[in-house]
Amino acid sequence: GAVVSQHPSWVICKSGTSVKIECRSLDFQATTMFWYRQFPKQSLMLMATSNEGSKATYEQGVEKDKFLINHASLTLSTLTVTSAHPEDSSFYICSARDSGHSPLHFGNGTRLTVT
Amino acid sequence: SQQGEEDPQALSIQEGENATMNCSYKTSINNLQWYRQNSGRGLVHLILIRSNEREKHSGRLRVTLDTSKKSSSLLITASRAADTASYFCATGLIQGAQKLVFGQGTRLTINP
Repeated sequence: GAVVSQHPSWVICKSGTSVKIECRSLDFQATTMFWYRQFPKQSLMLMATSNEGSKATYEQGVEKDKFLINHASLTLSTLTVTSAHPEDSSFYICSARDSGHSPLHFGNGTRLTVT
Repeated sequence: SQQGEEDPQALSIQEGENATMNCSYKTSINNLQWYRQNSGRGLVHLILIRSNEREKHSGRLRVTLDTSKKSSSLLITASRAADTASYFCATGLIQGAQKLVFGQGTRLTINP
């Protein structure tokens, strides 16, 4: 089945630094990938839709200058949390689908802790 | 904003019993999907039901969809300890159907 690989699985960084999270579709091409954020014991909040070769579409309330998304190829999307602050600490999950309205395939998530 | 609400937020049952989780949503949908999440992991797709379908089965899972009430239910029969996880419904909207909007989730605990 379709596999989405997300890296790193966890990262600890100091306040003010930037962190890059990678999301790869391993055995299919994904023109669209989705980035979600999840707080403990809460649901997934869609942050942005990553479109290959074009700008990402951000959800209302998500700072695009804070959360930089690059989708340079059909198998890779990256999320960079710039100038991270403790309130950015969260679980970030990417997902992709291999066609149309097929189910989403999720990465295993990245636990970001900003100290 | 969240599309769906799930009920109950938490459910604890004994192994072997059936578990039922409900999901309500607000806008018209193209499809509704159920996902499972083990603690600290990504989500795994369980089952998809289209807006023109009323019921669907997959192994021990049974999903119903009532578009008139904008609600869905997930039934897990003969539960096992390994079914312990959080379960989320997600709606594929008619407009912007590429993205999914997730409900709040139900934390299911199966006691051995």
